[in-house]
Formats: sequence, C-alpha cells, structure tokens
Amino acid sequence: AQRVTQPEKLLSVFKGAPVELKCNYSYSGSPELFWYVQYSRQRLQLLLRHISRESIKGFTADLNKGETSFHLKKPFAQEEDSAMYYCALSRNYGGSQGNLIFGKGTKLSVKP
Amino acid sequence: DAGVTQSPTHLIKTRGQQVTLRCSPKSGHDTVSWYQQALGQGPQFIFQYYEEEERQRGNFPDRFSGHQFPNYSSELNVNALLLGDSALYLCASTSGGTSSYNEQFFGPGTRLTVL
Repeated sequence: AQRVTQPEKLLSVFKGAPVELKCNYSYSGSPELFWYVQYSRQRLQLLLRHISRESIKGFTADLNKGETSFHLKKPFAQEEDSAMYYCALSRNYGGSQGNLIFGKGTKLSVKP
Repeated sequence: DAGVTQSPTHLIKTRGQQVTLRCSPKSGHDTVSWYQQALGQGPQFIFQYYEEEERQRGNFPDRFSGHQFPNYSSELNVNALLLGDSALYLCASTSGGTSSYNEQFFGPGTRLTVL
C-alpha cells in the first residue's frame, strides 16, 4: 500500500538547534517526494521536492531509497520556521503534484 | 493575482443535504485538484480536473462529484452528507494537466461542518 508516515506530531526545538523532521514512505514504484509547509494563517505551500535537489530557506531533504525515507533537515532552526510540515508522495508517473499522498504532518515549534 | 480562491469560507449543513463548493484557479492555470483534510490529518486527494474532464480520482465514493468550466474554475459537489464529511476542503491548481511538473498552488480552503 502507498503510504507516507510522519512519526512525530509535534517537534519542539530551541532557536539555533538542528532540526530533523522525519518522513518514511511506502511505494512500489520510483517515488517522487515533496515537503509542503503551512505557516500560521497561511496556505499550504510547496517547500521543496527531492528531484530539484535544492535548499529552500536553509532546509534540505535527501531521498534514501534503502531506508525509504525523506527526512527534512535544517542545521540551525529559526523562530520563523515554526509551522506545520507535511511530507507528500506523488502517485503520478513523472512526479506531477496533482495526485499526492500526504502524511499527517509534524508541527514544528522553535522556541527563542 | 489573488491566487487560488475558494468559496464559501465556511459552511454548515445537516446530514443528508447536498453541498457545492467552488474554486477559481490561479491565473494561467488550467488544472484543478480537490483535497479533503479532516482534523489532525493530512490532505486526501479527491479528484483532478483538466480540460473539463475528471482525469484522476482518489478513494472517495460517488457521492463526491465535480465539474470544471471552460474558464477553468471548478465545483465540488457532495450529496447525502454524512457527519464524516466534516472537513476542510482544499482546492489546488497548476497548469498542464496530470503529467505536468509545474508547481501546485493551494487555496485557503472551505470549512464544511455537517451536523
């Protein structure tokens, strides 16, 4: 079964500490994975996608097919990183975003 | 550009009623997807419309139906409402259809409460 698992509902860290938001997936094909973020009172928005291999707002995520993971990392958390983070998997060949499987989300709280 | 817009913002219905939710895609977008987000859960894909046809569908019953108009706006209809249909309904738009790699943009959602 296709599934995305985010084991932590809430992650609380202090400003300047490293952050790792965990995401594991179950998918029989070649996965295309994304991280979405929702800041307070804002819309859900794309943060990054694994195929782009880019760093957005200091966040990176590496696809580990052996461990079926796509963890989101940032070396030094900032207060403005506080938000809800969703890991998502595309069901579509080629990785288009129209048909996504989302995890339940992890709420990141960065304390001053 | 206001981005993706949805109406209404909130809606309260009773069991057995029918509801229609509306979505206008971001300017330049022609593909619309709908998601249901229950409290404490991630969004769940309902279906996607492109060129006025349903192109993909998630695991939702036939009570959930939709439509896309020539101007690319879309409606989500839910018949015979159940208490379990209470959720935030999100619309997302992109351009280029089901195989497009373009970024998908989400609307603010419609909060549906079924009593």
